[in-house]
Amino acid sequence: DADVTQTPRNRITKTGKRIMLECSQTKGHDRMYWYRQDPGLGLRLIYYSFDVKDINKGEISDGYSVSRQAQAKFSLSLESAIPNQTALYFCATSDLTGGRNEQFFGPGTRLTVL
Amino acid sequence: GESVGLHLPTLSVQEGDNSIINCAYSNSASDYFIWYKQESGKGPQFIIDIRSNMDKRQGQRVTVLLNKTVKHLSLQIAATQPGDSAVYFCAETAFSGGYNKLIFGAGTRLAVHP
Repeated sequence: DADVTQTPRNRITKTGKRIMLECSQTKGHDRMYWYRQDPGLGLRLIYYSFDVKDINKGEISDGYSVSRQAQAKFSLSLESAIPNQTALYFCATSDLTGGRNEQFFGPGTRLTVL
Repeated sequence: GESVGLHLPTLSVQEGDNSIINCAYSNSASDYFIWYKQESGKGPQFIIDIRSNMDKRQGQRVTVLLNKTVKHLSLQIAATQPGDSAVYFCAETAFSGGYNKLIFGAGTRLAVHP
């Protein structure tokens, strides 16, 4: 969805390096999320944010941190990357229009940690 | 990307046939369900949703059926086309930590053959 963009789209890095993945959205949504996806698994929630001053851990937050710089920007950092953090990372946004919790996903970032 | 579907169950159908993709969900308290489609190299895209007070909902060429008794969800695609080839995820919402978080299934790969 072009309304949610992620940079970079692909990244190869080495163990121990600090990595930042960025997400921007033009949908005007308050809620933003970071997920990781591994082969054969569904999406697992890393962190989520309901507004600029709100940050919450998801089910697999260890080894990750986030920053909500503005309503439209939510970045994910790996402080010291390790090989088992090799995965596809997706940012998503949502609001509660009509009581739905539909989440809109970015195109993903493929991260490889060597 | 392609690696997402490496270990997923696969449904193979002929172009023009109807497809049925099944999903068992985990939380009997879940009250809202979504089907997502993920094409190679892209993020998941919303297809259709259903609330727990319904047992059937129809969209364009797609129908979702919900059986709360056995906690089962299905996605029916009529007259399947090559463009329907993708990985399909069901997601349920469960209220946790102050919001309705999405819990994703592992996904099913749909392969459409000419």
